[in-house]
Amino acid sequence: EVQLVESGGGLVQPGGSLRLSCAASGFTFSSYSMNWVRQAPGKGLEWVSYISSSSSTIYYADSVKGRFTISRDNAKNSLYLQMNSLRAEDTAVYYCARSGTAVAGRRGAFDIWGQGTMVTVSS
Amino acid sequence: QSALTQPASVSGSPGQSITISCTGTSSDVGSYNLVSWYQQHPGKAPKLMIYEVSKRPSGVSNRFSGSKSGNTASLTISGLQAEDEADYYCCSYAGSSTVFGGGTKLTVL
Repeated sequence: EVQLVESGGGLVQPGGSLRLSCAASGFTFSSYSMNWVRQAPGKGLEWVSYISSSSSTIYYADSVKGRFTISRDNAKNSLYLQMNSLRAEDTAVYYCARSGTAVAGRRGAFDIWGQGTMVTVSS
Repeated sequence: QSALTQPASVSGSPGQSITISCTGTSSDVGSYNLVSWYQQHPGKAPKLMIYEVSKRPSGVSNRFSGSKSGNTASLTISGLQAEDEADYYCCSYAGSSTVFGGGTKLTVL
């Protein structure tokens, strides 16, 4: 079964750090680009970051640039998100999502999603 | 990158058809045939329903269809069923970023 399982969420104070993990199974992880997408309580979806299959290309949303770092370990079938200088507005459920087949070199849709991990930034 | 514009809510009766619009710009929806749609039930992860404007993943009902004209994409659900009641999000490739719509709550009356 194709599956993504996030972990690492929790309560952290403003200015603090947290590292999220996403464990992949059921598919060849090293062949796919991956993303983090978040959803604040009662709000819509927001794309956070993208990493290509070989880690050669990385993108961030402006809202997290300079504070968050995406990475992956293909040997461990795992995706990570290091979150520093956390703010109250970073409070959200964080999903890892697989990018489907690329089209003409452009990222495919998010075809597989994890169940999400909640991050709460509060004092 | 600004969010794509969707109506906050739509509704329809069982058996009817509804359409959800998604308006972007020439930098996202208008430039790429890479619009996707996601269905999200309360407390659940999003599910891909449409990709590349009008393609359906395996297992998604053919009652769901997508289209695009200019800077506006649309999701149509025909033969509404109770289980279609959910939030729907459009999404577009935008070069070095990806942008979502604000979401539309579909109520099946």
